[in-house]
Amino acid sequence: GAGVSQTPSNKVTEKGKYVELRCDPISGHTALYWYRQSLGQGPEFLIYFQGTGAADDSGLPNDRFFAVRPEGSVSTLKIQRTERGDSAVYLCASSFGGGGNEQYFGPGTRLTVT
Amino acid sequence: GENVEQHPSTLSVQEGDSAVIKCTYSDSASNYFPWYKQELGKGPQLIIDIRSNVGEKKDQRIAVTLNKTAKHFSLHITETQPEDSAVYFCAASTNNFNKFYFGSGTKLNVKP
Repeated sequence: GAGVSQTPSNKVTEKGKYVELRCDPISGHTALYWYRQSLGQGPEFLIYFQGTGAADDSGLPNDRFFAVRPEGSVSTLKIQRTERGDSAVYLCASSFGGGGNEQYFGPGTRLTVT
Repeated sequence: GENVEQHPSTLSVQEGDSAVIKCTYSDSASNYFPWYKQELGKGPQLIIDIRSNVGEKKDQRIAVTLNKTAKHFSLHITETQPEDSAVYFCAASTNNFNKFYFGSGTKLNVKP
């Protein structure tokens, strides 16, 4: 079946612009996660959704970052007033129910802020 | 918060040899330790995991060991094959298995 998909695969934006990154989880997966992976580093937790609500957003670095999952399926990560330091690969993962069930990762969106 | 350190950063082995990657963690409350394999241009994929009530787990050529007292865990790959070449990440979780702290990764190169 289809895995986790993320769009766009690559995004180049100018400093100060607004961007939206989309994640389509595996159908039926109630838990959804966003991570940020800088070059040569492991993924860094950003936010976790259980259904429509953000169960843990403690990883969001500041108030320029926001994520939504209005219908409990597709999620959008929104970054306002982008900075060069936001450049990274943004990974999305989903799992059935969360709580230790396997997280399936998408291929990521590579964001470059110029 | 939790701090996970991973060594070595790169590892080169001959096909058929074993590979060992080690991780340490700082928070004694961590209770779930997954290992991921990431190939170029792809997201990480779970290869094996272990929970804190178990000391060792094995799945074919892959095994993971956990020492809770010393707060370290290791990935062992035996009879390595070229297709094992990838970046491997360890992770630890302290919060109902939903918030993972990842190590910095080990780039494994298996030479044919």
